[in-house]
Amino acid sequence: GAGVSQSPSNKVTEKGKDVELRCDPISGHTALYWYRQSLGQGLEFLIYFQGNSAPDKSGLPSDRFSAERTGGSVSTLTIQRTQQEDSAVYLCASSRDRHSYNSPLHFGNGTRLTVT
Amino acid sequence: AQTVTQSQPEMSVQEAETVTLSCTYDTSESDYYLFWYKQPPSRQMILVIRQEAYKQQNATENRFSVNFQKAAKSFSLKISDSQLGDAAMYFCAYYSGGGADGLTFGKGTHLIIQP
Repeated sequence: GAGVSQSPSNKVTEKGKDVELRCDPISGHTALYWYRQSLGQGLEFLIYFQGNSAPDKSGLPSDRFSAERTGGSVSTLTIQRTQQEDSAVYLCASSRDRHSYNSPLHFGNGTRLTVT
Repeated sequence: AQTVTQSQPEMSVQEAETVTLSCTYDTSESDYYLFWYKQPPSRQMILVIRQEAYKQQNATENRFSVNFQKAAKSFSLKISDSQLGDAAMYFCAYYSGGGADGLTFGKGTHLIIQP
């Protein structure tokens, strides 16, 4: 595709519900990253995929968060039993290879999650 | 752990003037990469400019340039001839390459362009 596509653009959910956020990376990009941007904060790294495997899950804030990537393409970030502190913009990025100076990140427009 | 600090929550500049956004970072690595990203209201993070730490020459991209001071661990962004389209949040980011896979971002500077 032309760019990284994320859906939904906005999501409002009730506390305690599960949500799924989707990321469709640029075609051919093997690396995929999820970041979280809370209000007034910079981006916080969550997880990195190389192909379908996630060698680095160190940024996931709790065991309520999980992510998967299938077919080396689309990724979903799932948040179970959402809490109000999960409210944030969730940004996805992809790169041709593992992110490096010569393989820059391309970001999507993010999903704004609001937990009421 | 690496940290990135942007000490200016908000900056304002007149159109066509020059503005400098500051960024400092803390690391024990000798080789790393630094980036400036722009985030307009669309929320998409757009790479503005990047610098390799082992290169002493400051990176430039058209109206955007950096002042990289490795010893001082400073990486400021200069925007010349500011345009209305430059209005956005600007984030400084650090990447070690061989360590953790994610970028470390500062909290951002909101740049306002006065017409």
